[in-house]
Amino acid sequence: GESVGLHLPTLSVQEGDNSIINCAYSNSASDYFIWYKQESGKGPQFIIDIRSNMDKRQGQRVTVLLNKTVKHLSLQIAATQPGDSAVYFCAAEGAGSYQLTFGKGTKLSVIP
Amino acid sequence: DTAVSQTPKYLVTQMGNDKSIKCEQNLGHDTMYWYKQDSKKFLKIMFSYNNKELIINETVPNRFSPKSPDKAHLNLHINSLELGDSAVYFCASSQRGTGNTIYFGEGSWLTVV
Repeated sequence: GESVGLHLPTLSVQEGDNSIINCAYSNSASDYFIWYKQESGKGPQFIIDIRSNMDKRQGQRVTVLLNKTVKHLSLQIAATQPGDSAVYFCAAEGAGSYQLTFGKGTKLSVIP
Repeated sequence: DTAVSQTPKYLVTQMGNDKSIKCEQNLGHDTMYWYKQDSKKFLKIMFSYNNKELIINETVPNRFSPKSPDKAHLNLHINSLELGDSAVYFCASSQRGTGNTIYFGEGSWLTVV
């Protein structure tokens, strides 16, 4: 099976600093990974994804890094803003499973 | 235009009642899901339908019955509600295939009293 965990349940960051949210997964056959952002009172929103044939992918202010050797991925947010305050989830899909398994979430708080 | 919409957003009901949550997606996806999020924010899949057929049915009490009249709709009916059913229920959709993003609705906050 797949279990996806996060190293830190909460993270506080000063506005303007960079944030790094980490995630570990257990199934080495997982081949697709997504980061979601969930603001208070809303549903999870897609941020960025990465496939197992890549080790880095960049979006607007966000970068996802994948280390398959240690089964770890991270989400980096550059110049963190108050609007980035939310709970962030990583999710992993096992090869051929068509099913995402979600981690427990990290709450990011941005200090103005 | 909301991609995945679910109603009601808030629902407060007494134990023992039966209630339904409706979901519709206008993304043209062939797969829909129901997820449950507990008070600790943990997201767990309950059901998934692909082209109106049940493809994922996790360990969920049989008081929960999903129904998919067509591939754009997936409703969740809950019988004999219990206190432990209080949670946020998210509907979601995707196009089936490896590596296809799941898109979520805004959630339905169910409180059983």
